[in-house]
Amino acid sequence: GAVVSQHPSWVICKSGTSVKIECRSLDFQATTMFWYRQFPKQSLMLMATSNEGSKATYEQGVEKDKFLINHASLTLSTLTVTSAHPEDSSFYICSARDRSASGGRPDTQYFGPGTRLTVL
Amino acid sequence: AQTVTQSQPEMSVQEAETVTLSCTYDTSESNYYLFWYKQPPSRQMILVIRQEAYKQQNATENRFSVNFQKAAKSFSLKISDSQLGDTAMYFCAFYFGNEKLTFGTGTRLTIIP
Repeated sequence: GAVVSQHPSWVICKSGTSVKIECRSLDFQATTMFWYRQFPKQSLMLMATSNEGSKATYEQGVEKDKFLINHASLTLSTLTVTSAHPEDSSFYICSARDRSASGGRPDTQYFGPGTRLTVL
Repeated sequence: AQTVTQSQPEMSVQEAETVTLSCTYDTSESNYYLFWYKQPPSRQMILVIRQEAYKQQNATENRFSVNFQKAAKSFSLKISDSQLGDTAMYFCAFYFGNEKLTFGTGTRLTIIP
């Protein structure tokens, strides 16, 4: 089946530094990738939608200058948390939609294993 | 905007028993998709089952089945012969058109040995 990887799986950084998280579709091409944030014992909150070769679409309330998203190829999207602060500590999950599925069928959206970010 | 409600924050059941997780949603659309996702302690989101709104027949996947009541906007998940590996957070999700998935708040299910 389709696999989405994320790297790193966990990261600890100092306040004020930037952190980059990679999301890769390993065996399919993804026209669209999604970035979610999940706080402990809560649901997934969509942060942004990224389409290959174009600017990401951010959800209301998400700072686009703080959470930089790049979708440079059909298999790679990156989320960079700039000038991270302790309140940015969270679990970040990406998902990818299979390009081959006609009409962008939603059941072909595959999730990565997530990245736990801790900002000290 | 669509909303998804899961009214059971936590549930527990003995191993081998049957458990039903509830989900209701609100939408003015007629053609949409509904999903149940499982998030075990590993945090990996796993698709459990999907239902197309235009299909009257309830979806089933092995021990997992749904009770889809379109008029009532209800979409419950039944897990039969529950196993320890079913312990996880379960999220109900709604999808319409080419838009984002809308998730419910989740139900934490614990299977007791």
